[in-house]
Amino acid sequence: NAGVTQTPKFQVLKTGQSMTLQCAQDMNHEYMSWYRQDPGMGLRLIHYSVGAGITDQGEVPNGYNVSRSTTEDFPLRLLSAAPSQTSVYFCASSPGRLGGNIQYFGAGTRLSVL
Amino acid sequence: KNEVEQSPQNLTAQEGEFITINCSYSVGISALHWLQQHPGGGIVSLFMLSSGKKKHGRLIATINIQEKHSSLHITASHPRDSAVYICAVRSNTGGFKTIFGAGTRLFVKA
Repeated sequence: NAGVTQTPKFQVLKTGQSMTLQCAQDMNHEYMSWYRQDPGMGLRLIHYSVGAGITDQGEVPNGYNVSRSTTEDFPLRLLSAAPSQTSVYFCASSPGRLGGNIQYFGAGTRLSVL
Repeated sequence: KNEVEQSPQNLTAQEGEFITINCSYSVGISALHWLQQHPGGGIVSLFMLSSGKKKHGRLIATINIQEKHSSLHITASHPRDSAVYICAVRSNTGGFKTIFGAGTRLFVKA
C-alpha cells in the first residue's frame, strides 16, 4: 500500500531556482494539501485542493503554486526559491467532504535554500 | 496567542510511566486529531475525535468540548513511544482550515 508518496525526500536549491515537489496518492482521496513545518511552529497550510481542477490558498501561499489535473497528483511548485522557504514540506490527503476525515501524510521533503 | 496550545513542549519519562499530553484550543471545532511524528519525520494519525474518549492499545484520547481541551494519555510508556505528538483541530467555521499545535516532544528512557 503506497498511500501518499512524496518526492524528493531531500533537496538543496540556490536562491532564485525553481523546482517542483511531487505528491501522489493512490487512495482515490478527494482532498489533498501541502503543509510546511518549521521549528517551534505547527504545520501551516500552503495550498489545498478539494478535487481535481480545484485549488485554493491556505495560510502561507506566497511563493508557491499548485495544480490538480488528476485526483492522484498534487505538485507544489516553488517559483523562485528564497531562504525563507527552507523547511520540511508535507503533503497530505483525506477522503473528502466530511470535515472530520483523518489526513494521511507523506514522509516529507526536507528543502534547504542557500 | 496560538489558537491551539499544547503542554508540555518537552517531556522526558522513564519507561513504564503514565504520560499525559494536553491540548487546549480557542476556536469552535468539528473534530480534533492527535498525530504522531517519528524521529525520521513521518506523520501518522493516531485518533480523530469529536466527543468523549477513544482507546487504541496503550493510547487513550479524551476531549471535553465545553472546556475546549483534549488529552492524550500513554499507559506503560516504552522507548518506542518517543516521538513528537501533535494536536490539530478542524475549525467548524466551514472550509478546510485545520490548525496545528506546535507539538510535544516526548522522550522515554529505558
